[in-house]
Amino acid sequence: GENVEQHPSTLSVQEGDSAVIKCTYSDSASNYFPWYKQELGKRPQLIIDIRSNVGEKKDQRIAVTLNKTAKHFSLHITETQPEDSAVYFCAAMPWGSNYKLTFGKGTLLTVNP
Amino acid sequence: NAGVTQTPKFQVLKTGQSMTLQCAQDMNHNSMYWYRQDPGMGLRLIYYSASEGTTDKGEVPNGYNVSRLNKREFSLRLESAAPSQTSVYFCASRSGTMSSYEQYFGPGTRLTVT
Repeated sequence: GENVEQHPSTLSVQEGDSAVIKCTYSDSASNYFPWYKQELGKRPQLIIDIRSNVGEKKDQRIAVTLNKTAKHFSLHITETQPEDSAVYFCAAMPWGSNYKLTFGKGTLLTVNP
Repeated sequence: NAGVTQTPKFQVLKTGQSMTLQCAQDMNHNSMYWYRQDPGMGLRLIYYSASEGTTDKGEVPNGYNVSRLNKREFSLRLESAAPSQTSVYFCASRSGTMSSYEQYFGPGTRLTVT
């Protein structure tokens, strides 16, 4: 089955700096890569996703890049704010998996004011 | 439009007790999922239902059973709870169309087994 590795497990940045979280996946048939944000005690919520026919996608301060050849994808957050502090999860969905997601283990991002 | 709802929010069980976690969605979604979340482990799929009338095992199904009661409701049952099942349980749903992949999560149930 699919295996998703996520790094780093914790990340601390100063407000205004950029943050980058990286994930690698094992199944070359994966074609959908979402990123979820989970605040303490809350549910995971989708913040951005990318499909395998696209190399980069941006939404305001958040961007995701995908390198299919290397089987890795990254989340980029620019001009970080304290409200960006949360756990971020990447996931991958192999084609033919019946739309099942395999998640990484998460990154705790702390933005210091 | 409440989205995905779960009951109860919190539960404490003794080893060997049974319980059912309830999940419902009002978005007319076809697919529903049960995950467990443990510290440092991310979200792991327990069972899923691709459509009403079907269920299938995920990554960690042992010790659990599910029922897709109707299109709206998908329940998770622990027949004989064990301390290893202490976790936060999330239900999620997806529209089920071929072009829509996003999963929407419920608020979670925090379960402690002593």
